[in-house]
Amino acid sequence: QSALTQPRSVSGSPGQSVTISCTGTSSDFGGYDYVSWYQQYPGKAPKLIIYDVNKRPSGVPDHFSGSKFGNTASLTISGLQAEDEADYYCSSYAGSYTYVFGTGTMVTVL
Amino acid sequence: EVQLVESGGGLVQPGGSLKLSCAASGFTFSGSAMHWVRQASGKGLEWVGRIRSKTNSYGTAYAASVKGRFTISRDDSKNTAYLQMNSLQTEDTAVYYCTSAYCGGDCSLGRYWGQGTLVTVPS
Repeated sequence: QSALTQPRSVSGSPGQSVTISCTGTSSDFGGYDYVSWYQQYPGKAPKLIIYDVNKRPSGVPDHFSGSKFGNTASLTISGLQAEDEADYYCSSYAGSYTYVFGTGTMVTVL
Repeated sequence: EVQLVESGGGLVQPGGSLKLSCAASGFTFSGSAMHWVRQASGKGLEWVGRIRSKTNSYGTAYAASVKGRFTISRDDSKNTAYLQMNSLQTEDTAVYYCTSAYCGGDCSLGRYWGQGTLVTVPS
């Protein structure tokens, strides 16, 4: 199972919006909507920010949103803030009892 | 407060074994599938495997890279999940995280995360 493809890095100025893509094959998403997104600061454990494609856990600010169309899932960060500078990963249930993570994206706030 | 606390990491020689533990509290552990995810230094996240809940027959599944060498188990009476790692190789060197799922079977993972435990297999 190959990793889902994410851009290596994206950047934006404070207040701007950025979108991170997470692309795979149809089998990578297994026909399910079990896509999650995580935020990870250096040296820290990942933190869930989106699950089931577009649901936010309690306490996650609403400037994070998720979507999925075809073989690409996306995370949009609206109104970019300094504290959003981190690494972001997607994951998906790929069916056949396997899961796959994305390659990871570094978000830089200019 | 939800907590997942991993332990058991350390330095192990190639070919050796290690057993990691993940102690959970603050949520319904018995109803949650539990996953192990690893991250080599400077690299991305890699799914290692998962164990389903009792109502899902404690089913296990593994990544191809560890299948046959790693075994996941759980003890719901102790709210603890385990990762038994055998025939360890240098490429198994990573921080190992346990994480819970949103259900007892196969669904979105990553609801709660531990702080990670480092496993080092020197060359």
